[in-house]
Amino acid sequence: AQTVTQSQPEMSVQEAETVTLSCTYDTSESDYYLFWYKQPPSRQMILVIRQEAYKQQNATENRFSVNFQKAAKSFSLKISDSQLGDAAMYFCAYLTGNQFYFGTGTSLTVIP
Amino acid sequence: NAGVMQNPRHLVRRRGQEARLRCSPVKGHSHVYWYRQLPEEGLKFMVYLQKENIIDESGMPKERFSAEFPKEGPSILRIQQVVRGDSAAYFCASSPLSQGISYNEQFFGPGTRLTVL
Repeated sequence: AQTVTQSQPEMSVQEAETVTLSCTYDTSESDYYLFWYKQPPSRQMILVIRQEAYKQQNATENRFSVNFQKAAKSFSLKISDSQLGDAAMYFCAYLTGNQFYFGTGTSLTVIP
Repeated sequence: NAGVMQNPRHLVRRRGQEARLRCSPVKGHSHVYWYRQLPEEGLKFMVYLQKENIIDESGMPKERFSAEFPKEGPSILRIQQVVRGDSAAYFCASSPLSQGISYNEQFFGPGTRLTVL
């Protein structure tokens, strides 16, 4: 069974600092995709970054980057130069076939 | 370009009533997915539909829940005889092509928050 675990229910970071959100997953598949979604209070699901499992190079999108460790089944998100607008729930997700599997989320607070 | 639209955004029902949630996918997308988010949890897959076909309903409760995606019009998630435990946010996503190993991004709608009194 595929599972996604986010062990940090809440995190906080000072504005302009860097924070890392953890995610581990369990799968027997060899081809899959990993994602980080942001859910602000509006509840809209916003794609932050995605990673193809067959790619060794870590994905980056501006201030957002991932540390993908396939053997360890780990997929952490690093947010650099944190901004107030980054405050939200962050969900790690795994996609195989037609189904997404989401973690339980990490609530990120950005302290001015 | 309009994204995925869901309505209503908020829906209040009393126990035993029916809830109908509508999802209009991105124009040109023929694949729709429904997810449910219970309080303090991540989204959980319910059902995957193509036009006039249910492809995968493995995440759908066996009773009271049904979904359709007709040839014309929006996809509908229908919950009959709602109970308090059905209170959740229901998200719809659409994609242009079937997702096997080749990735096609799912675009999420804003969700419908269902409250059962």
